[in-house]
This record gives sequence, structure tokens and C-alpha cells, in this order.
Amino acid sequence: AQTVTQSQPEMSVQEAETVTLSCTYDTSESDYYLFWYKQPPSRQMILVIRQEAYKQQNATENRFSVNFQKAAKSFSLKISDSQLGDAAMYFCAYRGTGNQFYFGTGTSLTVIP
Amino acid sequence: EAEVAQSPRYKITEKSQAVAFWCDPISGHATLYWYRQILGQGPELLVQFQDESVVDDSQLPKDRFSAERLKGVDSTLKIQPAELGDSAMYLCASSLSHSGANVLTFGAGSRLTVL
Repeated sequence: AQTVTQSQPEMSVQEAETVTLSCTYDTSESDYYLFWYKQPPSRQMILVIRQEAYKQQNATENRFSVNFQKAAKSFSLKISDSQLGDAAMYFCAYRGTGNQFYFGTGTSLTVIP
Repeated sequence: EAEVAQSPRYKITEKSQAVAFWCDPISGHATLYWYRQILGQGPELLVQFQDESVVDDSQLPKDRFSAERLKGVDSTLKIQPAELGDSAMYLCASSLSHSGANVLTFGAGSRLTVL
């Protein structure tokens, strides 16, 4: 099984500031996909952003962007102009050729007004 | 907007009792997943279906857990007997089958408390 590591159990950011959440993964596959999911308190998990490993260009979705370093097996999430609604657990996930998704342990993000 | 439906949202039971969770994936999604999420941790895959067939149940505690997706649409996850350590959120998710753009769509989850 693939492993996904999130080394930051908790992070905090001031409203309107930028924060970066880290994720590393271990794989021997060359073709895979990476995701960031957000799980607000007591609400369901939703997709934030995804990255195809074969694409060199980093994915962006409005205030969310990733820094994908394939050689380093690193996939960090940058949240710009942080808003109170960004407070949630963030999970990094890996999907390989077997169509199986592996999740990290999550980072709890607090947004300080 | 299409959603993954799960029920019940909350279940409290005593240990040694039987519990069952139901999931209805997004229409047309051939792949269905059951995950267990312990508080403060990431989801762990219990079982993955492709249509009505089990693709991966290597992490499913088969002595007490069972899962089925008889007609390749909705699915049931059963625990019998429940143990204290089974207290967790049980998440169902679905995705299109083997598409390069596959993403998981999650349901709201079923929170189980075993007393």
C-alpha cells in the first residue's frame, strides 16, 4: 500500500494571510493522482484540488494552489487570503493505478480572525 | 447536485449488538468505497467495490464485518457483534470507474458509538 504523510497535525493562520500545508507520499508508480480534501467540523469531506502526476504545471483553484515536486514526492497546499470558512481538517490523498485512494492523517487548520 | 446518501447519520449501540449502515452512491458511479475514520485520523479503506464485485477487502475485519453490493448500486456494511473499538465515523464514497479524472465523492457519514 502507498503511504501518505502529513507531518503537521495542527496549523493556524491569520485571516487574509497565506498558509501552506505539507504532504509527502511514497510510491513506486509513475502514473498517479494527488488530492487535497477538506473536512469542515461535522460536515462531509469535499474535494479541494487535484493534481495529475504527469502534469508539470501546478494545479490552482481560486485561492488554493499546490506545489507538486514529483522527484521529492512532495505535494503541499497553499491557501491564500485565508477565510474563516477555510477552518477544517485537510487531508492529502493519493490515487494510483488500482483506483484506490490512500489518505494522510490530516492537518487541522484554525483561522484566527 | 448529485450526492452520496448514507444512513443512519448517528447510531448508538451496546457492544455485542449488530449494526448496519446503508449507502447509495451517485448514479452511474461504478466504484463504491467504505472507509472508517477514527476521530482525529484519516479515513482508512475497509472495502472497495467495482459494480457488485469486491475489489479490495484486505483491511476489513471479516470475523465481524461484512459488506455487500448485491445489484451493483447501493451497499450495506454490517458489524456483528459490535465492539467498543468500532466507535468511529463510517464514510461511504463513490467514483466513476477507472477514469483518469476519478475523484471521490463522499457521503455525510454514519457516526457509530458503541457503549
